[in-house]
Amino acid sequence: DAGVTQSPTHLIKTRGQHVTLRCSPISGHKSVSWYQQVLGQGPQFIFQYYEKEERGRGNFPDRFSARQFPNYSSELNVNALLLGDSALYLCASSWTQGAGTTSYEQYFGPGTRLTVT
Amino acid sequence: DQQVKQNSPSLSVQEGRISILNCDYTNSMFDYFLWYKKYPAEGPTFLISISSIKDKNEDGRFTVFLNKSAKHLSLHIVPSQPGDSAVYFCAATPFDTGRRALTFGSGTRLQVQP
Repeated sequence: DAGVTQSPTHLIKTRGQHVTLRCSPISGHKSVSWYQQVLGQGPQFIFQYYEKEERGRGNFPDRFSARQFPNYSSELNVNALLLGDSALYLCASSWTQGAGTTSYEQYFGPGTRLTVT
Repeated sequence: DQQVKQNSPSLSVQEGRISILNCDYTNSMFDYFLWYKKYPAEGPTFLISISSIKDKNEDGRFTVFLNKSAKHLSLHIVPSQPGDSAVYFCAATPFDTGRRALTFGSGTRLQVQP
């Protein structure tokens, strides 16, 4: 079975531009979460979506937005890019545990490396 | 304010010996804990987890211990193998029926020497 896939693998953007990152979860997983990992730190939670609804949002500015599609894939959008947005962006999916809850365990994709110049 | 701390940035161990990776947390609302392994150019890989109602969970060579009173958990790898060389992240999350937001530590780089 395919794991979580993300595209593109690498991306170089200029300050002020907009970027869209894409993620496809493991087949059967209905929840997708996004994390940002800056060099030397652990991943930091940005968003979680379940069945196309936002379940959680981390401490990130409104320049960051996301959505989930009917096939459970997801997009992360970042507007007005800053140099500090340079990071590895990770997508993770999790399975439904029952009654609208998802598993604690999350399974990560390889990430998209975003460089803002 | 780091709610999950991994105070050892790196650890070097001989092949066949035990590796012990430590993690401390400050948020008493955390009730589920996970360990992930990360190789360069790959995403984190889930290793093992533990609920706050347990104090030990074992899976093959990997054992996680949880000391709730000390707000401390550790990952034991026995025996260590060169393929275990990677960055290990501890993560935690509170009980919540809807939201699953993992809070990660900064990681410990494990080097297993042949």
